[in-house]
Amino acid sequence: AQTVTQSQPEMSVQEAETVTLSCTYDTSESDYYLFWYKQPPSRQMILVIRQEAYKQQNATENRFSVNFQKAAKSFSLKISDSQLGDAAMYFCAYRSAIWETSGSRLTFGEGTQLTVNP
Amino acid sequence: DAGVIQSPRHEVTEMGQEVTLRCKPISGHDYLFWYRQTMMRGLELLIYFNNNVPIDDSGMPEDRFSAKMPNASFSTLKIQPSEPRDSAVYFCASSLGTGYYEKLFFGSGTQLSVL
Repeated sequence: AQTVTQSQPEMSVQEAETVTLSCTYDTSESDYYLFWYKQPPSRQMILVIRQEAYKQQNATENRFSVNFQKAAKSFSLKISDSQLGDAAMYFCAYRSAIWETSGSRLTFGEGTQLTVNP
Repeated sequence: DAGVIQSPRHEVTEMGQEVTLRCKPISGHDYLFWYRQTMMRGLELLIYFNNNVPIDDSGMPEDRFSAKMPNASFSTLKIQPSEPRDSAVYFCASSLGTGYYEKLFFGSGTQLSVL
């Protein structure tokens, strides 16, 4: 079974600064998808960024980028020019690309609470 | 589109009572998921449907839990009888397809408190 670990329960960053959230995962599969979701106080989970395992290039979405290290099974999220609205719980998630293994099951990490200080 | 709509937003009930959580997925989406979020176990998948048919219910904790999807625009998650350990936030999510380009849209969740 796959597992996802976020070792930082809490992180803080000054507004306009850069912060990196860590995520590691364990899998024996070679093809899979990785995601970062944001959960603000409104509770709704919002997709921030996603990465296909077979793509070498790190995904980027505006101020959000990832550092995907497949051999190390690491998938960190970098937030540049942090804004107050970035304050939220961030979840790393894994999904197998093999339908027979997990269908559409997402396995989530424990989450990292990000505080943005003005 | 209004997104995934869940009701109620909050539910407080007493142990032993029946609880029904409701979800309206985004129109046109063919996959619907029920997740549960607790401090102890984090986010875990309970069950998911494809074209209204349950595909994987291995995450349903026990027989007290049941889920239905009578049509493409409505799903329910029922707990009967409810217990204090069922207290959690229950999320419904929907998507169109399941490939990489699938984007999972979550509702705002139902905060369930069983006293």
